[in-house]
Amino acid sequence: AQTVTQSQPEMSVQEAETVTLSCTYDTSENNYYLFWYKQPPSRQMILVIRQEAYKQQNATENRFSVNFQKAAKSFSLKISDSQLGDTAMYFCAFKGNNAGNMLTFGGGTRLMVKP
Amino acid sequence: DAEITQSPRHKITETGRQVTLACHQTWNHNNMFWYRQDLGHGLRLIHYSYGVQDTNKGEVSDGYSVSRSNTEDLPLTLESAASSQTSVYFCASSDREGPSTSYEQYFGPGTRLTVT
Repeated sequence: AQTVTQSQPEMSVQEAETVTLSCTYDTSENNYYLFWYKQPPSRQMILVIRQEAYKQQNATENRFSVNFQKAAKSFSLKISDSQLGDTAMYFCAFKGNNAGNMLTFGGGTRLMVKP
Repeated sequence: DAEITQSPRHKITETGRQVTLACHQTWNHNNMFWYRQDLGHGLRLIHYSYGVQDTNKGEVSDGYSVSRSNTEDLPLTLESAASSQTSVYFCASSDREGPSTSYEQYFGPGTRLTVT
């Protein structure tokens, strides 16, 4: 079974600074998908960014980008120019090619953006 | 706009009672999922369905059941509520697999269940 590990339970960053959240995963598959979800205090889960393993290029979505290191099985999220609205729990998730449409989630990282 | 809703948003129940949490989606998605969220565990899969009359057990299915009689709804039933089932429950849906599938799951707002 796949496992997803987020080693930073809590992090903080000053507004306008850059922060990187770590995620590692364990799989024997070659094709898979990785996701970062954001859960603000409202509890609503929102997709931030998605990466397909067969794509070499790191995904970017405005201020959010990933550093996907396939050999190291690492998938970190970089948030540039942090904003107060980025304060949330962030979850890394994995979908294997042999896992149907199921996602495996990491334990989450609580990010606090300080003014 | 399409959406996924859950009801109730908060529920307090007593040990041993049967509880049903509702999930309704208007995305017309084939796939639906139930997760529980507990501190330090992220989201863990309880049950999932890939279509009408299809249901499957997830990682933490003991004490829970689901049924899928139509595309829009996947109710989650706790047959005999236990204090260990105090948690926040999320329903999610995703589109069927195809050439352009993103595999993104769309989440409901969650139900906070307290079992006393």
